[in-house]
Amino acid sequence: GNSVTQMEGPVTLSEEAFLTINCTYTATGYPSLFWYVQYPGEGLQLLLKATKADDKGSNKGFEATYRKETTSFHLEKGSVQVSDSAVYFCALSVLNSGGYQKVTFGTGTKLQVIP
Amino acid sequence: NAGVTQTPKFRVLKTGQSMTLLCAQDMNHEYMYWYRQDPGMGLRLIHYSVGEGTTAKGEVPDGYNVSRLKKQNFLLGLESAAPSQTSVYFCASSYFWDMETGELFFGEGSRLTVL
Repeated sequence: GNSVTQMEGPVTLSEEAFLTINCTYTATGYPSLFWYVQYPGEGLQLLLKATKADDKGSNKGFEATYRKETTSFHLEKGSVQVSDSAVYFCALSVLNSGGYQKVTFGTGTKLQVIP
Repeated sequence: NAGVTQTPKFRVLKTGQSMTLLCAQDMNHEYMYWYRQDPGMGLRLIHYSVGEGTTAKGEVPDGYNVSRLKKQNFLLGLESAAPSQTSVYFCASSYFWDMETGELFFGEGSRLTVL
């Protein structure tokens, strides 16, 4: 089956530090890859996505590149802010044989940024 | 901009009681999903629906039932609540899946405690 593995948190960084959250996946077929972010007390929201190999997704200073050879989709940001404190979920999506979207989530990585 | 709305936001039940969570979306999405979120386990799919009048089981369907009588609403029912169903429940919706989207839109969550 499909699976997503994320680095365990929590990750604590000082403001303006460089962020990397690792994500690797196992999937049959050709998945699309996503990073979702969950701010405290809120639902998940899409941060960025990539739909094919070598695509780079980017949003709000965050980036992730779809690496098929290493089955990875690591999230990076050059300079984090306190407002980036949240839980980050890596996810993959494949078209199931039944014709619907099957999404598999990682366990989430909590990021805490301190001033 | 309502998006996906879940009610109630919080609920405390005693073992054996029943309840229904309501999810409503105003984006005319075909697909709707119910997930549960537990510490260290990410999001797990309970049930989903690919259109009005259809439902299907996800990864962890036992103890839950669902109905989609109207396209905009997706109900999650617990007939006899158990402490193992203490969790945060998220509803999500999406368009028909295609390679360029695949984004899920989430509600804010419903925190359920079963004593």
